Amino acid sequence: QKEVEQNSGPLSVPEGAIASLNCTYSDRGSQSFFWYRQYSGKSPELIMFIYSNGDKEDGRFTAQLNKASQYVSLLIRDSQPSDSATYLCAVGGSQGNLIFGKGTKLSVKP
Amino acid sequence: DAGVIQSPRHEVTEMGQEVTLRCKPISGHNSLFWYRQTMMRGLELLIYFNNNVPIDDSGMPEDRFSAKMPNASFSTLKIQPSEPRDSAVYFCASALRGGLNEQFFGPGTRLTVL
Repeated sequence: QKEVEQNSGPLSVPEGAIASLNCTYSDRGSQSFFWYRQYSGKSPELIMFIYSNGDKEDGRFTAQLNKASQYVSLLIRDSQPSDSATYLCAVGGSQGNLIFGKGTKLSVKP
Repeated sequence: DAGVIQSPRHEVTEMGQEVTLRCKPISGHNSLFWYRQTMMRGLELLIYFNNNVPIDDSGMPEDRFSAKMPNASFSTLKIQPSEPRDSAVYFCASALRGGLNEQFFGPGTRLTVL
């Protein structure tokens, strides 16, 4: 059974701080990794994807991938109250499907 | 592009009734996914299609659930008969197969079975 694990949180950070969200996965053959953001009552929206080991930056967001450790993370710099949401980690399957973690709830306090 | 379209957005029904959820994927996308989301179980994949063909329905909870994709622009998820434990938000997502697995989600259907 392929699994994706996330700390459910809630993770609480003050405004302006760095939020660090972590995810581990069980399938060593996984090649694609995604972070989705889901606001309460809304659908998941893709915010970052990463395929290669290392860091990928997009604005205030940085995704980090370590395939040897089967670990992927998302850093949010200068966190804003509008970043408060649930963040879902997803790992690509061999048939084009995604396996989702249960999400980490982030709360950014003004 | 209008994005993934789902209908209805909300459905309230009584136990034992048939429920049909509808989805129109993004034009040009050839993979379609049905998910169910609850607080307890998170986001669960029910079934997905590539080029209108069901690839994996192992996530469908039981025979009361069925899904069809008669053409590239339309899919249905049917529950018959519905039960209170089916109450959840059902999402449809689409992707471009041969791309890199990025899926785009519809707004979801909130189903309440009384």
